[in-house]
Amino acid sequence: GDSVTQMEGPVTLSEEAFLTINCTYTATGYPSLFWYVQYPGEGLQLLLKATKADDKGSNKGFEATYRKETTSFHLEKGSVQVSDSAVYFCALSVGSNQGGKLIFGQGTELSVKP
Amino acid sequence: DTEVTQTPKHLVMGMTNKKSLKCEQHMGHRAMYWYKQKAKKPPELMFVYSYEKLSINESVPSRFSPECPNSSLLNLHLHALQPEDSALYLCASSQVVDTQYFGPGTRLTVL
Repeated sequence: GDSVTQMEGPVTLSEEAFLTINCTYTATGYPSLFWYVQYPGEGLQLLLKATKADDKGSNKGFEATYRKETTSFHLEKGSVQVSDSAVYFCALSVGSNQGGKLIFGQGTELSVKP
Repeated sequence: DTEVTQTPKHLVMGMTNKKSLKCEQHMGHRAMYWYKQKAKKPPELMFVYSYEKLSINESVPSRFSPECPNSSLLNLHLHALQPEDSALYLCASSQVVDTQYFGPGTRLTVL
């Protein structure tokens, strides 16, 4: 079945460090791919998305490219801030006329130290 | 505007109580979702409503009863819950085959 695997955390970085969170997927169709972020005590916020191969999603300095050949959607940011501390979820959407079903990875907790 | 609202923000209930969680969106989305999330885990899908009809029920116990009164509102009625049902309950909405937008959640504690 469809699945998402992302690197385990927690990940601890110093402010201004480079961030990569790996995400790979298995899907039978042509899924859309997403990164959601969850700050402490809050719901999930959409960070970025890509809907087809070679699309690059970007938002707030974060980027991820839909790589069909490696079935990956790695999240990157050039210089993290303390305010980026959160849990990051990679997800794929298997859409149908019943509503889109999101398949989540296990989440990666990021802690950024000043 | 991509806002989904949920009330209440926090809820404490006993195992014999009946309570309801509410979710509202005004984005014209025709699909709405309930998820359950335990600490440090990804959300688990519970129910999907598409065009106000229940389209997916992920084998959720009958003590959870969803209701979709209209295209903007989604309720989750709770009755005779167990302590292990304590979790963050998230609502989301989307166009039927499109990006899901989540609300802030209701933190439920069952005593």
